Amino acid sequence: DAMVIQNPRYQVTQFGKPVTLSCSQTLNHNVMYWYQQKSSQAPKLLFHYYDKDFNNEADTPDNFQSRRPNTSFCFLDIRSPGLGDAAMYLCATSRDLGSQETQYFGPGTRLLVL
Amino acid sequence: AQKITQTQPGMFVQEKEAVTLDCTYDTSDPSYGLFWYKQPSSGEMIFLIYQGSYDQQNATEGRYSLNFQKARKSANLVISASQLGDSAMYFCAMREALSGGYNKLIFGAGTRLAVHP
Repeated sequence: DAMVIQNPRYQVTQFGKPVTLSCSQTLNHNVMYWYQQKSSQAPKLLFHYYDKDFNNEADTPDNFQSRRPNTSFCFLDIRSPGLGDAAMYLCATSRDLGSQETQYFGPGTRLLVL
Repeated sequence: AQKITQTQPGMFVQEKEAVTLDCTYDTSDPSYGLFWYKQPSSGEMIFLIYQGSYDQQNATEGRYSLNFQKARKSANLVISASQLGDSAMYFCAMREALSGGYNKLIFGAGTRLAVHP
């Protein structure tokens, strides 16, 4: 089945130690998104790639970076995780950017910062 | 102003009963999409159902239907014959066509549904 895959499902890191979360998709979608979701809140968009074009949300901290080496893979790098970065990180894809386009989400990675 | 409003923080329903989760939205764009997602405790966001602003009929997907009332700007999710596995957080979301072709998915605060046996 075509899907969005995220690895790992759980990630523990130390305060200030860089961490990378990965996302891959077999849907061949043009757009890939990264969301941060804290407990009992709605997901918050961090950034997205349309093909190779990177779009950062205005309020995304500089601590968060992303890479998309090819259509299938997208990475979220947190350069110096703080305790406030502990959250669920969700990757999503959509075929295109139109208002009618459905976003499909991966299972998420729960990040714990010690 | 909030774009997506879900006024029910929590809902309870008896197994096999139907339940309606409320969602109202605000947009001045004639072209938009409305989505419902289910998020169980595992964390995955599962796409349930979609309604386009120009769709004449209410969307249905199995036990899920969307009660779309365009004039009232509401897009309520109806789950028929509730099952224990329906217990989860439910998010209503909207995409509108902004200038430049870029738009993003805007989520409501969510409604936590508990299905009781």
